Amino acid sequence: QKEVEQDPGPLSVPEGAIVSLNCTYSNSAFQYFMWYRQYSRKGPELLMYTYSSGNKEDGRFTAQVDKSSKYISLFIRDSQPSDSATYLCAMEKSGAGSYQLTFGKGTKLSVIP
Amino acid sequence: DGGITQSPKYLFRKEGQNVTLSCEQNLNHDAMYWYRQDPGQGLRLIYYSQIVNDFQKGDIAEGYSVSREKKESFPLTVTSAQKNPTAFYLCASSITGRDTEAFFGQGTRLTVV
Repeated sequence: QKEVEQDPGPLSVPEGAIVSLNCTYSNSAFQYFMWYRQYSRKGPELLMYTYSSGNKEDGRFTAQVDKSSKYISLFIRDSQPSDSATYLCAMEKSGAGSYQLTFGKGTKLSVIP
Repeated sequence: DGGITQSPKYLFRKEGQNVTLSCEQNLNHDAMYWYRQDPGQGLRLIYYSQIVNDFQKGDIAEGYSVSREKKESFPLTVTSAQKNPTAFYLCASSITGRDTEAFFGQGTRLTVV
């Protein structure tokens, strides 16, 4: 079982829809959770960074973490064509040492006008 | 403007040749990373460095080498020992510590011909 599982999609939704993107993980050492957005042929950019279980909201984006279920989600409200990209979840373990990120495979999202 | 610059954007290499990918940052970040991205594989860590003149192997270091002679620079050499070098290579940097964002460059697409 991979440490981080993410459905690669592709996911296609109409403009204005609510999008739900998810990742599961198996290692309880993961304590920090991130969502990156990557446009085609570009580097990823950080969207959300969370630590605690619960919800964190930023504009149209909401990140949700459920540590008991080892499950994280990213919700996009009122999706726009400009949201079309690949969304990568990333996780970081607690404890001393290097701050390495473990990434999911990414979900490719298309928002159709 | 602060950021991470990767060059070149596209690179072609003949089999059996070594090639070096450049990564420069002016963010004054201590930590730098190299990732490889393949379709359907997500990002995999090749090497990382937390301070000058020190670096550590990531999950897929075989066939790659790095150096960190300056804080701003972290070049990656893809050697002839790397069996499947064709990929999208991403460099990132961050401040060492928690609650920090990893900034990514725009990537170099390497193709072996």
